[in-house]
Amino acid sequence: AQSVTQLGSHVSVSEGALVLLRCNYSSSVPPYLFWYVQYPNQGLQLLLKYTTGATLVKGINGFEAEFKKSETSFHLTKPSAHMSDAAEYFCAVSDRGGKLIFGQGTELSVKP
Amino acid sequence: DAGVIQSPRHEVTEMGQEVTLRCKPISGHDYLFWYRQTMMRGLELLIYFNNNVPIDDSGMPEDRFSAKMPNASFSTLKIQPSEPRDSAVYFCASSPGTLLDDAYEQYFGPGTRLTVT
Repeated sequence: AQSVTQLGSHVSVSEGALVLLRCNYSSSVPPYLFWYVQYPNQGLQLLLKYTTGATLVKGINGFEAEFKKSETSFHLTKPSAHMSDAAEYFCAVSDRGGKLIFGQGTELSVKP
Repeated sequence: DAGVIQSPRHEVTEMGQEVTLRCKPISGHDYLFWYRQTMMRGLELLIYFNNNVPIDDSGMPEDRFSAKMPNASFSTLKIQPSEPRDSAVYFCASSPGTLLDDAYEQYFGPGTRLTVT
């Protein structure tokens, strides 16, 4: 069975600082992994995904994530935080049967 | 494409009333999902369909909730009778399924904010 654990329900960084949001997964099959972002009062929007191939995946808005099989991790990073990055971020793994298993979410706050 | 369309965007109703939420998925997508989001419970998958057939409804909280997908371009989530604890944001999402470039990627609608008083 697949599962996702996001470490830290709330992360706060200063504008310009590194953003690191942690995600660990469990999967009985080679995983398809996703990061979604949710801005206030909006639906979830895909940031990036890993299916096969290159383990470093680049997404929108300067975010990237690295798939590390040995660590069962898919952490999300951005070198320099912007105020507009304040949102909730969800990591997800596909069960390969059509369904995504979502983590509990991490709320990112950016301080000026 | 206009993306996933949900209506209404906001719904306020009194306890005991019937509520119907509507969703139009992205054309060509084979999968449709209904989620509920609350502060207390986070994002919960209620039910999902593949080619208009319900695959997994284990997340539906109780018999007051029902969902249908009469055709590939329309789905409804109905709550009858509604209760204050049903107050939440309900999202619909669709997915192309197993197409190579979009493997299982889900596209979310803007949500319906339901308030039951």
